[in-house]
Amino acid sequence: DAGVTQSPTHLIKTRGQQVTLRCSPKSGHDTVSWYQQALGQGPQFIFQYYEEEERQRGNFPDRFSGHQFPNYSSELNVNALLLGDSALYLCASTSGGRETQYFGPGTRLLVL
Amino acid sequence: QKEVEQNSGPLSVPEGAIASLNCTYSDRGSQSFFWYRQYSGKSPELIMSIYSNGDKEDGRFTAQLNKASQYVSLLIRDSQPSDSATYLCASPTSGTYKYIFGTGTRLKVLA
Repeated sequence: DAGVTQSPTHLIKTRGQQVTLRCSPKSGHDTVSWYQQALGQGPQFIFQYYEEEERQRGNFPDRFSGHQFPNYSSELNVNALLLGDSALYLCASTSGGRETQYFGPGTRLLVL
Repeated sequence: QKEVEQNSGPLSVPEGAIASLNCTYSDRGSQSFFWYRQYSGKSPELIMSIYSNGDKEDGRFTAQLNKASQYVSLLIRDSQPSDSATYLCASPTSGTYKYIFGTGTRLKVLA
């Protein structure tokens, strides 16, 4: 039973650049949520995708956008990177939306 | 702004003792609650979910939910050094698909 996978594991970018992170949900799951976790903080909800649509969004600027593909995998795009975007980006999948979420290993993004 | 609050710790307990981790929440409509364990540099790993008032046991872990008082707790019996991690409490905000996480409590089990 394949768990949630994310790529890449680490990424270094400079301010102003754009980045794309990828996630494949756990087998049997159709819903993907993205989180940003700064050091010493809990994960902050960015958005959730279901049926290829953004179903719920947290308090993040429009620089953060996403996409979900027919196979339920998802991408997180961040434009015009800021130093403050440096964080661990987590993808979590579930079936249905409000049920138990399972996290991928995360992508650690460093913005210089 | 709905919130989930946890004491950041660290909470230090000796090996073999019971560790008690607490979480309070502000959204009275919250229906489900989750405890995750996160080792340093790793992603959160699900420990337990709880939906009803009372206790739910799974091995050395017991989750307790009291909706009237709006708190959730996690008890870890026979704590081991390998339990040393940050424990995160989470709940979806009622009527939404937005999950709110606490900042986590850092647990240190001393050998």
